[in-house]
Amino acid sequence: QKEVEQNSGPLSVPEGAIASLNCTYSDRGSQSFFWYRQYSGKSPELIMFIYSNGDKEDGRFTAQLNKASQYVSLLIRDSQPSDSATYLCAVNEGYQKVTFGIGTKLQVIP
Amino acid sequence: KAGVTQTPRYLIKTRGQQVTLSCSPISGHRSVSWYQQTPGQGLQFLFEYFSETQRNKGNFPGRFSGRQFSNSRSEMNVSTLELGDSALYLCASSLVQGMNYEQYFGPGTRLTVT
Repeated sequence: QKEVEQNSGPLSVPEGAIASLNCTYSDRGSQSFFWYRQYSGKSPELIMFIYSNGDKEDGRFTAQLNKASQYVSLLIRDSQPSDSATYLCAVNEGYQKVTFGIGTKLQVIP
Repeated sequence: KAGVTQTPRYLIKTRGQQVTLSCSPISGHRSVSWYQQTPGQGLQFLFEYFSETQRNKGNFPGRFSGRQFSNSRSEMNVSTLELGDSALYLCASSLVQGMNYEQYFGPGTRLTVT
């Protein structure tokens, strides 16, 4: 059973700070990974897709992948109250077969 | 560009009945995948269709089935409903071009089984 582990939180950060969200996965053969944002009562939204070791940046978001250590992280710079949501880490097994973590609830305090 | 649409948005069914949910993907997206979201189990993959073929499926019983039509619209069916099937059912349409990945979820269908 492939597993994706996340701390459910809540993770509270002050506005303007860097939020760091972490995720570990069990299958060493996993190749690609997603980060989703889900606002309460809304559908998930894909915010990052990463498949290479290292960092991938998109605006205020940076995804970091370390396959040797089997972890993926998401950094949100200059956090805003509008970033308050649940962030889901997911491992792609191919053809959209995705194993999700339970999600980390992020609270950005004004 | 219109988003992913799902119908109906809400459903109430009785144990033992069956239900059909519909999903229309974004124009040009040929991959449609289905997920179940519950408070206890989180988000779980059901199956994925591409060009009318199921390419992958998750660990759900055979009561859960789906299909995709030539216009990429997809339906999922749950037969012999159980109380535990109460959940939010989400579909997503995807487009993969090289290493670029695009995926959008629909608003979901909230199914309540009584």
